[in-house]
Amino acid sequence: QSALTQPRSVSGSPGQSVTISCTGTAGDVGRYDFVSWYQQHPGKAPKLIIHNVSQRPSGVSPRFSGSKSGNTASLTISGLQADDEGDYFCCSYAGSYNFLVVFGGGTKLTVL
Amino acid sequence: QLQLQESGPGLVKPSETLSLTCSVSGDSINRSSYYWGWIRQPPGKGLEWIGSIYYSGSSFYNPSLKSRVTVSVDTSKNQFSLEVTSVTAADTAVYYCARHFYGDFHFWGQGALVTVSS
Repeated sequence: QSALTQPRSVSGSPGQSVTISCTGTAGDVGRYDFVSWYQQHPGKAPKLIIHNVSQRPSGVSPRFSGSKSGNTASLTISGLQADDEGDYFCCSYAGSYNFLVVFGGGTKLTVL
Repeated sequence: QLQLQESGPGLVKPSETLSLTCSVSGDSINRSSYYWGWIRQPPGKGLEWIGSIYYSGSSFYNPSLKSRVTVSVDTSKNQFSLEVTSVTAADTAVYYCARHFYGDFHFWGQGALVTVSS
């Protein structure tokens, strides 16, 4: 099973919005709503910021939002802040006959 | 609050077996309807799902690693474990344990760096 496809890097200025895409297939992103997004700062464990395509865990800023269209999921970060800089990973359930989870390759967000 | 903590050797020799344990506090592994999984991240690279075990004891593996990986659970200690056999330098990574529900990994351990080197 191939990893989900994400852009290697995106950037934006403070206050702007950026969107990170996550392209899968009809067998993962396109089929299931178990799509999640993670923020990772250097040396730290990933932190869940979006689950079930568009749901925010308690305590996560409403500046983070998720959506899905067809085989592509998207994460939008509005009102960019310096602390948003880091790596972002998407993830999807991909099992049909067997349990399977796939991650995206990750996107480096730079706040200019 | 749920907490997970990885433990195990930080250095493993090539061809040997990597063994890690994840200790869980704040929830019972065999009571909740969640999956307990392992994910790894080679230095400077992305995340890779290794395998998971369901609270019922059923285990599931990444097809690319299935022949070398075993995930098991010890409910008496509220721990689950990972074994990777015949390791090479390509298995050098930070290994995370996590609680998840299908593709949603809500809780993560802090991670354990395992280096494969002679």
